[in-house]
Amino acid sequence: DAMVIQNPRYQVTQFGKPVTLSCSQTLNHNVMYWYQQKSSQAPKLLFHYYDKDFNNEADTPDNFQSRRPNTSFCFLDIRSPGLGDAAMYLCATSREQGFGNEQFFGPGTRLTVL
Amino acid sequence: DQQVKQNSPSLSVQEGRISILNCDYTNSMFDYFLWYKKYPAEGPTFLISISSIKDKNEDGRFTVFLNKSAKHLSLHIVPSQPGDSAVYFCAASGDNYGQNFVFGPGTRLSVLP
Repeated sequence: DAMVIQNPRYQVTQFGKPVTLSCSQTLNHNVMYWYQQKSSQAPKLLFHYYDKDFNNEADTPDNFQSRRPNTSFCFLDIRSPGLGDAAMYLCATSREQGFGNEQFFGPGTRLTVL
Repeated sequence: DQQVKQNSPSLSVQEGRISILNCDYTNSMFDYFLWYKKYPAEGPTFLISISSIKDKNEDGRFTVFLNKSAKHLSLHIVPSQPGDSAVYFCAASGDNYGQNFVFGPGTRLSVLP
């Protein structure tokens, strides 16, 4: 089955220790997204890639970076995690942007910062 | 500043009855809207969408209504089934908004047998 895969499902890191979350897709979609979701809040878009074009949301902290080495993979790097970065991180893909192109989500990675 | 609001954090409905989930938005540049359903330990899955040129879209037991003048949309599920118990997210976007989605905080629906 075509899908969006996130590894690991649970990640524990220490305050200030860099961490990388990974996402892969078998859908061959052009667009990949990273969202941060804190408890009982709306998923918040951090950035997205249209193919290799990187688009950063204006309020995404500099602490968050992303890489998309190829169509299938996208990584979220948190350079110096703080306690406030503990959240669920959701990866999503869509074939294109615009109406009719709904997003397909992975199961998420829950990040704990000690 | 929440651009997409779901003012009911939770909703309980008896099996077989209608579930109505509401969503309000503030940005008039949004011109299409989606509903996603999320089960525990899974990512959100797409349920139904509507473009602003329509005021209703129906797919089986699910119907979305859009009232542009009120900046309000609702998702109707009828009849409700226990398997519909999940968190429902409303999302909005628009070609003039950069085509990215803004999500609401979600409403947890519990369908009681």
